Amino acid sequence: AQSVTQLGSHVSVSEGALVLLRCNYSSSVPPYLFWYVQYPNQGLQLLLKYTSAATLVKGINGFEAEFKKSETSFHLTKPSAHMSDAAEYFCAVSVDFSGGYNKLIFGAGTRLAVHP
Amino acid sequence: DGGITQSPKYLFRKEGQNVTLSCEQNLNHDAMYWYRQDPGQGLRLIYYSQIVNDFQKGDIAEGYSVSREKKESFPLTVTSAQKNPTAFYLCASSPGQGSNQPQHFGDGTRLSIL
Repeated sequence: AQSVTQLGSHVSVSEGALVLLRCNYSSSVPPYLFWYVQYPNQGLQLLLKYTSAATLVKGINGFEAEFKKSETSFHLTKPSAHMSDAAEYFCAVSVDFSGGYNKLIFGAGTRLAVHP
Repeated sequence: DGGITQSPKYLFRKEGQNVTLSCEQNLNHDAMYWYRQDPGQGLRLIYYSQIVNDFQKGDIAEGYSVSREKKESFPLTVTSAQKNPTAFYLCASSPGQGSNQPQHFGDGTRLSIL
């Protein structure tokens, strides 16, 4: 069965430092993977998605993620953190069910804090 | 602008009361979903619907009910059988076909017990 593990429920970085949020997946078939961001009391916003076209995926707000099949990982990075990046980040894997529709399996989330 | 509208933003439930959370989308998406979010647990799927007049239980459907009478609307009722309803509820939709289709989310409804 597909699953997602996010290492580190809380990550704290300084403004301007590298952001690295870790995601490992378990999937018996080539996965479709997503990163979402959630600001307080809001819904989830799609940051980027991996759909097998390229292993390095660029998203919004300067984020990118690299798909590594050998490590079953899809870590999210940003070269330089900004105060506005403080939020909760969710990694998700897509699962097919009947009729070709998809279901998302989410990790538990990583809360990113950015300090001056 | 196309999107998903959830209402109300905050909702309070009394003991023994059923409450209904609204979700409307104008994205012309076939599939709609309801998730429950609790701190430190990510999102868990309550119900999903692929087409009008059809819906399926997700991972934590007990104490909840839904209907899908229109493509645009997928209301969730939290019944009195749900003993721990305090949570943040998120509605989502997707075009439906294909695992590479991301889900689009509303801004959520926060439900609390009075």
